[in-house]
Amino acid sequence: EVQLVEFGGALVQPGRSLRLSCAVSGFTFDDYAMYWVRQAPGKGLEWVSGISWDSLRRTYADSVKGRFTISRDNAKNSLYLQMSSLRAEDSAMYYCAKDRTSAHPDGPGDYWGQGTLVTVSS
Amino acid sequence: DIQMTQSPSTLSASVGDRVTITCRASQSIDSWLAWYQQKPGKAPKLLIYKASNLESGVPSRFSGSGSGTEFTLTISSLQPDDFATYYCQQYNSYSYAYTFGQGTKVDIK
Repeated sequence: EVQLVEFGGALVQPGRSLRLSCAVSGFTFDDYAMYWVRQAPGKGLEWVSGISWDSLRRTYADSVKGRFTISRDNAKNSLYLQMSSLRAEDSAMYYCAKDRTSAHPDGPGDYWGQGTLVTVSS
Repeated sequence: DIQMTQSPSTLSASVGDRVTITCRASQSIDSWLAWYQQKPGKAPKLLIYKASNLESGVPSRFSGSGSGTEFTLTISSLQPDDFATYYCQQYNSYSYAYTFGQGTKVDIK
């Protein structure tokens, strides 16, 4: 059974940093690209970042470029999102998702975690 | 960035109704479009990929069509389990950000 479990969400002050993790099981992690998608309370989905199987290709939404860094550890079956210079508008549920078929971030996500909540507030 | 615009934002319908949701892209994305269903407090669920391909396990009452800049999601006969919010997402590889539409909430008339 495919499982993705996010953790690391917290209440954090503006300007601070936070690292999210996503632990996966049930599939061969290094065969697939992975994504982070977020959803502010009561709002729609916002694609945040994607990473290829080998970490050589990483893409970011303009809203997080230069502040967030996506990474993965294939040996640990884990995906990460390092977030810095956090702003109130970064407050959201953060989901990790697996690419449906590709090792490169070129497609939709077919399996999603249940999310981890980040709140940026003083 | 490629912008995705869904219409309507909210749709009231009854069980058994045929429902159509439209998604428009600000530039051509060929057929690189997905549709998701999301229920409150839950993660999104992939319904359709590459504009018209039904994801495994998704009921056949869901269908997708379109290419270029205009796409539709159709539910042929709305069921109680279908009341949810639906999102389109473009994943054109020439775009570095795979943007979502703003969502369409389908609620009970």
